[in-house]
Amino acid sequence: GIQVEQSPPDLILQEGANSTLRCNFSDSVNNLQWFHQNPWGQLINLFYIPSGTKQNGRLSATTVATERYSLLYISSSQTTDSGVYFCAGRNQAGTALIFGKGTTLSVSS
Amino acid sequence: DVKVTQSSRYLVKRTGEKVFLECVQDMDHENMFWYRQDPGLGLRLIYFSYDVKMKEKGDIPEGYSVSREKKERFSLILESASTNQTSMYLCAARRMMNTEAFFGQGTRLTVV
Repeated sequence: GIQVEQSPPDLILQEGANSTLRCNFSDSVNNLQWFHQNPWGQLINLFYIPSGTKQNGRLSATTVATERYSLLYISSSQTTDSGVYFCAGRNQAGTALIFGKGTTLSVSS
Repeated sequence: DVKVTQSSRYLVKRTGEKVFLECVQDMDHENMFWYRQDPGLGLRLIYFSYDVKMKEKGDIPEGYSVSREKKERFSLILESASTNQTSMYLCAARRMMNTEAFFGQGTRLTVV
């Protein structure tokens, strides 16, 4: 199966700062998604983004499928953005999503 | 968006018990999944079902079985619970292969 590498593993920010999270894939992927895991453990869908760019409020994401990476941008971060961010994808031969290890974001006021 | 509901948020079971984790989705989606999440290991696929009565083993199926008798319900069964199955279990549903997956709220299982 594919390998999914997320960076950085940890990120500490002051409220109001911007950040970029990166996800690299070892093979071409379909079904690329970004999730935020809330403090109770639920995975919240942020973006379904096999290619291109999408924006939702202060968050945006870009996937460059030909170069096998995706970026998640968080602007004007807030304390409620804290938590673990996961990217996940499926390669052509696979069925389920393969997850990266996540980026743990801590935003302080 | 599809709603995926797991039957319990927290569960404590004894070693050797047979444990059922239930997952229900409300959108007639074909694909359903069970993952477990452990610190340092991330999310790992246990089983995948692509339709009623159809299933595929994931990366870590040992000690688990699944049942999908109706499209909306996917059950994970721990035949004889062991302490190394203490974990966070996450269920997901997806309409078909190239579509977005949605997750339930998770079940934190502790086996004592």
